[in-house]
Amino acid sequence: DAGVIQSPRHEVTEMGQEVTLRCKPISGHDYLFWYRQTMMRGLELLIYFNNNVPIDDSGMPEDRFSAKMPNASFSTLKIQPSEPRDSAVYFCASSLAVTSGAETQYFGPGTRLLVL
Amino acid sequence: EDQVTQSPEALRLQEGESSSLNCSYTVSGLRGLFWYRQDPGKGPEFLFTLYSAGEEKEKERLKATLTKKESFLHITAPKPEDSATYLCAVYVGYSTLTFGKGTMLLVSP
Repeated sequence: DAGVIQSPRHEVTEMGQEVTLRCKPISGHDYLFWYRQTMMRGLELLIYFNNNVPIDDSGMPEDRFSAKMPNASFSTLKIQPSEPRDSAVYFCASSLAVTSGAETQYFGPGTRLLVL
Repeated sequence: EDQVTQSPEALRLQEGESSSLNCSYTVSGLRGLFWYRQDPGKGPEFLFTLYSAGEEKEKERLKATLTKKESFLHITAPKPEDSATYLCAVYVGYSTLTFGKGTMLLVSP
């Protein structure tokens, strides 16, 4: 398997513009997670899906952030409008169904976002 | 409040100089503790899962151990290619992982 795929790998945009990040999870995985990583706060969970349904979005910082998972092989994280403080690395991760109580999450390479 | 704390924040070793990284946690009802390795510009790469106190797992020069309050990642005779940031994470709730801020390891030849 190719692993978790994310695009774009790098994104530079200007404040106020819309940004869309994309993720393809590992085939057969039931869970998909979006994280944000900064030097100050480390890795933070933004939202996660189970079988394409959003389960917990309490980590989404503001209404400017939204995420969708229209099918089992694709998810998007959208920021509209973007602000300089949104600059970070955004990771997508996926895992199998949580049956044993501790399923491993596998991460994509991340999207480095810079908002000017 | 559930918390994961890693120490030290950064560690510099000479090649062959063994050491340990620490991950302390305060979650109740631990269901799994994970160690990941993260290279610059890449996503975290899974290393180990530990489920109960006393458990140990090994992979090449790395050995992870777990007690009721903390986990150690022991690095034996490290090489420059072991340089990376090592992240510890625990499950909080049913499906969500909480990560520590990591230990940045630099191994000099």
